[in-house]
Amino acid sequence: EPEVTQTPSHQVTQMGQEVILRCVPISNHLYFYWYRQILGQKVEFLVSFYNNEISEKSEIFDDQFSVERPDGSNFTLKIRSTKLEDSAMYFCASSGQFSGNTIYFGEGSWLTVV
Amino acid sequence: SQELEQSPQSLIVQEGKNLTINCTSSKTLYGLYWYKQKYGEGLIFLMMLQKGGEEKSHEKITAKLDEKKQQSSLHITASQPSHAGIYLCGADIENSGGSNYKLTFGKGTLLTVNP
Repeated sequence: EPEVTQTPSHQVTQMGQEVILRCVPISNHLYFYWYRQILGQKVEFLVSFYNNEISEKSEIFDDQFSVERPDGSNFTLKIRSTKLEDSAMYFCASSGQFSGNTIYFGEGSWLTVV
Repeated sequence: SQELEQSPQSLIVQEGKNLTINCTSSKTLYGLYWYKQKYGEGLIFLMMLQKGGEEKSHEKITAKLDEKKQQSSLHITASQPSHAGIYLCGADIENSGGSNYKLTFGKGTLLTVNP
């Protein structure tokens, strides 16, 4: 079974600090995503990434957020200056080349901002 | 109103019973995904439906897509404690196009199966 892996599984950070969440998408996938889920709320789309650039982003994905694919395997989400309301579970996901391919999600990274 | 409404919000069944969870969209569905989530964990892919009338099954779980009603149902036959969790429907309601899916999710249905 193919797998999206995420690190760290849980991170506690002080407000105002920078955080980088890391993901290793499934190896032959070309589309990468970040979603988040605030405790008790719906899973929300943040950003999609293809061919080394952002394809689409939501209103949540403001200037504090950035994504990068620094090498051939990793996909990162950076939050520059964390706020209390950034506390959430962040999910990385990936999908294949052709329309309708399954979107696989990782186990998530819990981010707690204190 | 919610773009994707799931019903019921929660469900408690006795082991062995059948159950159905519904997901209704206020907009046209261009792709419908079902995931299972255990509290505080990742989303496990169950099924994806794209065409109206499509029906897929995996083990004891069957999902159907009614394009006209903009609705999908997930049916579990002879439920087991291992089926317990949160069932989420996610859909492309903006016709993202190609393979670049931006999913909108429902709030989820919490399923408890009592032994």
